[in-house]
Amino acid sequence: GESVGLHLPTLSVQEGDNSIINCAYSNSASDYFIWYKQESGKGPQFIIDIRSNMDKRQGQRVTVLLNKTVKHLSLQIAATQPGDSAVYFCAENRKNTDKLIFGTGTRLQVFP
Amino acid sequence: SAVISQKPSRDICQRGTSLTIQCQVDSQVTMMFWYRQQPGQSLTLIATANQGSEATYESGFVIDKFPISRPNLTFSTLTVSNMSPEDSSIYLCSVSQASQFFGPGTRLTVL
Repeated sequence: GESVGLHLPTLSVQEGDNSIINCAYSNSASDYFIWYKQESGKGPQFIIDIRSNMDKRQGQRVTVLLNKTVKHLSLQIAATQPGDSAVYFCAENRKNTDKLIFGTGTRLQVFP
Repeated sequence: SAVISQKPSRDICQRGTSLTIQCQVDSQVTMMFWYRQQPGQSLTLIATANQGSEATYESGFVIDKFPISRPNLTFSTLTVSNMSPEDSSIYLCSVSQASQFFGPGTRLTVL
C-alpha cells in the first residue's frame, strides 16, 4: 500500500468506541474548516465542514467542534468501525481565498 | 460533488525526464488546484490553475518546474519537469465547489 502517514501521530481505538481527533489551526483569520479522510492509496475524502460562525456541526456518526478562542478543531466519530481506519486531516481556509492549509494529520487505527 | 479523475494513477520515471498529469472533472468548475503530498506528509498547495490565464503559484513553487495548463473549465494538467528523486510524491488535483474535493491522486516515483 501507499506510505501515507508513516510518521504521523496515531490514535488507536477499539471498535465500537468513540474517537476524538484534534487539530490546532494557525490563523485567526481562517473562517472555514474541513475534515478529510485519506485511506491508503486514495485521495482525501471530504467528511464534514464548519464555518467560523458555528461551534458545532453534526453529520452521520461524525461531529466537528470549533473553538475559535484557542484555535482548536476536533472531529468526533461515534461507534468507530474498522472502515474508519485512515489518516485524518483538518484543513483551514483563509478568509476571502479558496486556498486550504492542511494540518499534519492523524492516523486512526481501529482494532477489534 | 464533482467527480474528479486523474491520469496516470501512478508512474515510475527516470531522473531528468518530465511527466504530465491530467485532471478531468465531470462538470464545469471555476477553481482548480494542484497539491503535492510527499511521503508520510500532509498536503501542500502548489498552485491555483486559472482558466484562460497563467497559474498562480505558492511560495516555493515555480512555473519552470511545474508548468500548468487550464484550457477549459473541466480540465487541467500539471507537468513535473526535469524530475529528481525528491519529486517522488502524490500529486493531487482538487476543485472548489461549495467545498473543496480531491481527485484520486497520481503517485510518482522518480528513480
